[in-house]
Amino acid sequence: AQSVTQLGSHVSVSEGALVLLRCNYSSSVPPYLFWYVQYPNQGLQLLLKYTTGATLVKGINGFEAEFKKSETSFHLTKPSAHMSDAAEYFCAVSTQVGGSYIPTFGRGTSLIVHP
Amino acid sequence: KAGVTQTPRYLIKTRGQQVTLSCSPISGHRSVSWYQQTPGQGLQFLFEYFSETQRNKGNFPGRFSGRQFSNSRSEMNVSTLELGDSALYLCASAVGPGAYNEQFFGPGTRLTVL
Repeated sequence: AQSVTQLGSHVSVSEGALVLLRCNYSSSVPPYLFWYVQYPNQGLQLLLKYTTGATLVKGINGFEAEFKKSETSFHLTKPSAHMSDAAEYFCAVSTQVGGSYIPTFGRGTSLIVHP
Repeated sequence: KAGVTQTPRYLIKTRGQQVTLSCSPISGHRSVSWYQQTPGQGLQFLFEYFSETQRNKGNFPGRFSGRQFSNSRSEMNVSTLELGDSALYLCASAVGPGAYNEQFFGPGTRLTVL
């Protein structure tokens, strides 16, 4: 079974400060890892994903995440927060089940950006 | 290119009724997945369809069912509604199945069960 833990249901930063959203996963097989963002009254939008290869993954809007197998982590970072980054962020893991992939999502982290 | 559309956007039903939600994927996308999002349980996978066949199913009771048509449009049905079925139901489409294909989400259908 796979699971995803996002540390902190709310993270508050000042505009221009570093954004760090934590995600740890458990999976018995190599996973695919994702970060999504959800703005109010909207669906989810893919920020970035890790499948294979380079462990540092760059996404949209200046976000990046690093896959650390030894720590089973996939933390999301952005060097400088912008007011428009305020949203709900979801980490997800997907592993193979009988030839298909079942995604599991974390509970989400609400990013609050102060001016 | 038009995005994923879901209808209706809002729905109010009473316990015991049934409901059908509709999802139109992005043109050319053949995979459609459904998710339930609630404050208590978060985002949970319901099922995935590809080429009119259900490929995967999450841990939900048989009251939850779906289907996909030849034009890739999908419907989700919930019978004998319970209060706990109140949620945001999200549909996502992709070119094909598999985690390596990016999923594009619709805005969701907000279902309220009274």
